Amino acid sequence: DTGVSQNPRHKITKRGQNVTFRCDPISEHNRLYWYRQTLGQGPEFLTYFQNEAQLEKSRLLSDRFSAERPKGSFSTLEIQRTEQGDSAMYLCASSGKVGDTQYFGPGTRLTVL
Amino acid sequence: AQTVTQSQPEMSVQEAETVTLSCTYDTSESDYYLFWYKQPPSRQMILVIRQEAYKQQNATENRFSVNFQKAAKSFSLKISDSQLGDAAMYFCAYRSAWAGANNLFFGTGTRLTVIP
Repeated sequence: DTGVSQNPRHKITKRGQNVTFRCDPISEHNRLYWYRQTLGQGPEFLTYFQNEAQLEKSRLLSDRFSAERPKGSFSTLEIQRTEQGDSAMYLCASSGKVGDTQYFGPGTRLTVL
Repeated sequence: AQTVTQSQPEMSVQEAETVTLSCTYDTSESDYYLFWYKQPPSRQMILVIRQEAYKQQNATENRFSVNFQKAAKSFSLKISDSQLGDAAMYFCAYRSAWAGANNLFFGTGTRLTVIP
């Protein structure tokens, strides 16, 4: 299967802990996106990479959030000092050329206790 | 900012019947893309259908078709011959065609139930 993969699929953590999620995009895609989806809502954009460069960050991405894509392949999203409000599904998507369709991974469901 | 509105939180349809899901959007741009994504329970979001705003012809993918009304800023999805596997959350999404625009704007979704 050459789709977008995300790990872990589920993460339960205590408030104040740090968590890191990984996304592996479709191999030939150079564009990678992170979204957050809370219960009953559609996904909301967090950040965007073209190759290894982080070109756009949403105002939703507070300073506790950091994302990297060091070699232009996989990406990580880290949340420091987690809060209960961070509980959500974190989705990764990738695309090829400008205007191409974004293909989504299965998401990582984060629960902060 | 662009907004996408799905006014039907839930819809149901009998198996083999036809159902239409509504979506409206607000934008000042003339060139953009519109999408319908399907998110089955506990499974990943998959693309159902895509429409380029510059194309007058409505997109069709097998049993799925859209009614794109650019002037009315409306983009509805019609599912014909509904199947049990069509049960899912359906999200309408907007993306600017501007090269510097990167993200999708999603509606709040419509939960479709298919009744056997």
